Amino acid sequence: EADIYQTPRYLVIGTGKKITLECSQTMGHDKMYWYQQDPGMELHLIHYSYGVNSTEKGDLSSESTVSRIRTEHFPLTLESARPSHTSQYLCASSEWRGDEQFFGPGTRLTVL
Amino acid sequence: KNQVEQSPQSLIILEGKNCTLQCNYTVSPFSNLRWYKQDTGRGPVSLTIMTFSENTKSNGRYTATLDADTKQSSLHITASQLSDSASYICVVSDRGSTLGRLYFGRGTQLTVWP
Repeated sequence: EADIYQTPRYLVIGTGKKITLECSQTMGHDKMYWYQQDPGMELHLIHYSYGVNSTEKGDLSSESTVSRIRTEHFPLTLESARPSHTSQYLCASSEWRGDEQFFGPGTRLTVL
Repeated sequence: KNQVEQSPQSLIILEGKNCTLQCNYTVSPFSNLRWYKQDTGRGPVSLTIMTFSENTKSNGRYTATLDADTKQSSLHITASQLSDSASYICVVSDRGSTLGRLYFGRGTQLTVWP
């Protein structure tokens, strides 16, 4: 089991609320990623980071933002949640020279 | 366009039976191919990794094959168990970027019945 953690595991909130999904890893990995996954669909990369103070947008357009102030921490924020944001969000990390990504357990977000 | 296609989309088998899942990809340049297992409500966990020069690799009851010429891979599960019920995702990595770009299939949802 990889040492990568996500909180909360489940979140149900109302439209317009600001939320932050937490992701932490204890493996010292430089690269971190956020994916969005809907049931029966492939994972879509929404954000990634090469290291501290590095953040990039992924392939799937997302209204969320991320920050990387510490190596181990890569939180994702939605300023104003909408029902279209309902999905599973998966955080992952990898070594600088490796491409095996280790995934967290995910956060299941439901926006009413 | 780099794509990963998996079949079947879903599969139901009885406990103890074998099954084979398929993956076709068009990712280029190719670096490696992994099979991940994703339990319901969990993140994916890597089962096997196949590089260009490898044809077969086993991990317990899981055996992956790779044909780099036809760009096809399969995952064979032997003597299935109830705990094998999960989504199996084929993931291909390219060599063309510093990020180590991954391309995900939609997965095969396997259900093992007692």
